[in-house]
Amino acid sequence: QKEVEQDPGPLSVPEGAIVSLNCTYSNSAFQYFMWYRQYSRKGPELLMYTYSSGNKEDGRFTAQVDKSSKYISLFIRDSQPSDSATYLCAMSDSGGGADGLTFGKGTHLIIQP
Amino acid sequence: EAQVTQNPRYLITVTGKKLTVTCSQNMNHEYMSWYRQDPGLGLRQIYYSMNVEVTDKGDVPEGYKVSRKEKRNFPLILESPSPNQTSLYFCASSRRRETNEKLFFGSGTQLSVL
Repeated sequence: QKEVEQDPGPLSVPEGAIVSLNCTYSNSAFQYFMWYRQYSRKGPELLMYTYSSGNKEDGRFTAQVDKSSKYISLFIRDSQPSDSATYLCAMSDSGGGADGLTFGKGTHLIIQP
Repeated sequence: EAQVTQNPRYLITVTGKKLTVTCSQNMNHEYMSWYRQDPGLGLRQIYYSMNVEVTDKGDVPEGYKVSRKEKRNFPLILESPSPNQTSLYFCASSRRRETNEKLFFGSGTQLSVL
């Protein structure tokens, strides 16, 4: 079963706030977890990549994976207006390649100056 | 500059008139893929190619054709477009098929079929 749930938003927060974006999934075989950022009228770009469970930090961004709860999160600290975009989660099982990626529908994030 | 280039950016056509959306990458990537993005449905894969002359169906291949005669090019062909193919289309490429390889996306083609 390929199903990834993601709240479409919009999620509107003031500049400087901590943002939490989340996805839940049902396929326990998923091992690879990604977050893509998509600006308006642009293609998605890879933001974070995590294999299996745990946390990964890159600057203001932190990705968390909780496989026991089938739940992944992306945290953005000190949010900026330039972070306003749609954030897509994506995941794949251990056997699939890029063709096995399942994307969430995306959360539209608005950072108010 | 490393990039995936799609053309055209916008296209309005009529039902049944064959069209081709071009995709080219300058990174010598083996893997290329086409997606469509629809409100409420997200990104869905149409076709992918693991290398020259190797293509396979994704999740929503009906009504589409692809070819991979050269490594850099991966055109998407709609032989007889229908209104339900109105969508935002993205081409993507990565160095190899493996999931941990970064996917690079083009800027998209907004297609309207009347």
